[in-house]
Amino acid sequence: GEDVEQSLFLSVREGDSSVINCTYTDSSSTYLYWYKQEPGAGLQLLTYIFSNMDMKQDQRLTVLLNKKDKHLSLRIADTQTGDSAIYFCAEAYNQGGKLIFGQGTELSVKP
Amino acid sequence: DTEVTQTPKHLVMGMTNKKSLKCEQHMGHRAMYWYKQKAKKPPELMFVYSYEKLSINESVPSRFSPECPNSSLLNLHLHALQPEDSALYLCASSQRLAGGTVTDTQYFGPGTRLTVL
Repeated sequence: GEDVEQSLFLSVREGDSSVINCTYTDSSSTYLYWYKQEPGAGLQLLTYIFSNMDMKQDQRLTVLLNKKDKHLSLRIADTQTGDSAIYFCAEAYNQGGKLIFGQGTELSVKP
Repeated sequence: DTEVTQTPKHLVMGMTNKKSLKCEQHMGHRAMYWYKQKAKKPPELMFVYSYEKLSINESVPSRFSPECPNSSLLNLHLHALQPEDSALYLCASSQRLAGGTVTDTQYFGPGTRLTVL
């Protein structure tokens, strides 16, 4: 069945780059998403990438997709303390609106 | 505007109470979703509505009863809940459901923090 995996924790220093990785199994996925969740809040859509793209850049965010290895990454340049949150990757399972989420990566940014 | 609103923000209820959660969007989206999320875990899909009709029920206990009175509103009626139902309940919406090779982006609300005593 479909599965999405992420490492659970990442700690970086303020100003460094953060790279959050995700692997997925459903090769028919068409869209892959990154959501950010701050404590006590809902999920904020950060960015998404179509499966026919290799890379997407949006200000400090860069998404890389390796479709052959089913590997997705999110790079945050110049990481700030406000970037501390849980980051979920999700693939759109192609049956009527279901999103398959990874377990989430908790990013801790130290000053 | 990609805003989904949810009320109330917090809710505390006893196991014998009946309460409702409300979700609203004015983006013209025709698919709406309820998720349950435990602390530091990914959201778990509960229900999906498409064009005001229930499309997916992920085997949710009948003490949770969804309702979609119109294309902008989604309710979740709660009755005889258990303490293990305490969680963050998230609503989301998308333009429509996935079909064929088309997938639609889901936008989430801020959630209702539910505590069942």
